[in-house]
Amino acid sequence: DVKVTQSSRYLVKRTGEKVFLECVQDMDHENMFWYRQDPGLGLRLIYFSYDVKMKEKGDIPEGYSVSREKKERFSLILESASTNQTSMYLCATLPGQSYEQYFGPGTRLTVT
Amino acid sequence: AQTVTQSQPEMSVQEAETVTLSCTYDTSESNYYLFWYKQPPSRQMILVIRQEAYKQQNATENRFSVNFQKAAKSFSLKISDSQLGDTAMYFCAFMKHSGGNDMRFGAGTRLTVKP
Repeated sequence: DVKVTQSSRYLVKRTGEKVFLECVQDMDHENMFWYRQDPGLGLRLIYFSYDVKMKEKGDIPEGYSVSREKKERFSLILESASTNQTSMYLCATLPGQSYEQYFGPGTRLTVT
Repeated sequence: AQTVTQSQPEMSVQEAETVTLSCTYDTSESNYYLFWYKQPPSRQMILVIRQEAYKQQNATENRFSVNFQKAAKSFSLKISDSQLGDTAMYFCAFMKHSGGNDMRFGAGTRLTVKP
């Protein structure tokens, strides 16, 4: 069974803090993605990675960075959290030569 | 750039009835995939159904079927015999067949199935 886990379901941070969101998969999938989900906007792609140490910007990378040191782990970093980064963050994976993305449970981040 | 539009933010249906969720998209690509994903309350997003653009036949998965109109760039989801467990957010999504793995999502439709 496909398994994508995210480090926290709920997270509350203060403005200016550095925030790490972690995603781990056990399926050996090449591609990993970070989205943020906001009401009325659907899912928007922040960053994705198609291999270890490789990353590509999505539609809304500003204020975020990512790290992929191992194939199974893809981290999203908020260098200095701001209130407009309060959102639901979803991680997803995609096997090479495939089309179905597998999603983690999401992290609901609140920045106060 | 590809865009996906879901014009129905919220819908409701009575249990056992049929409901259709709408989706339109804009692309200049000729070969691509279309998807419907379901996100139940507080649960993970899962794939409901997919359609390859080169296939004329509409995809079907049990009670879920699509109406794919390529020329009109329309991709609606029909849920037959609605069940309480179908209550969820439904997202329409687009992915190019090649040249990139990123997916474009619509804003979502919140479906409530009423007993």
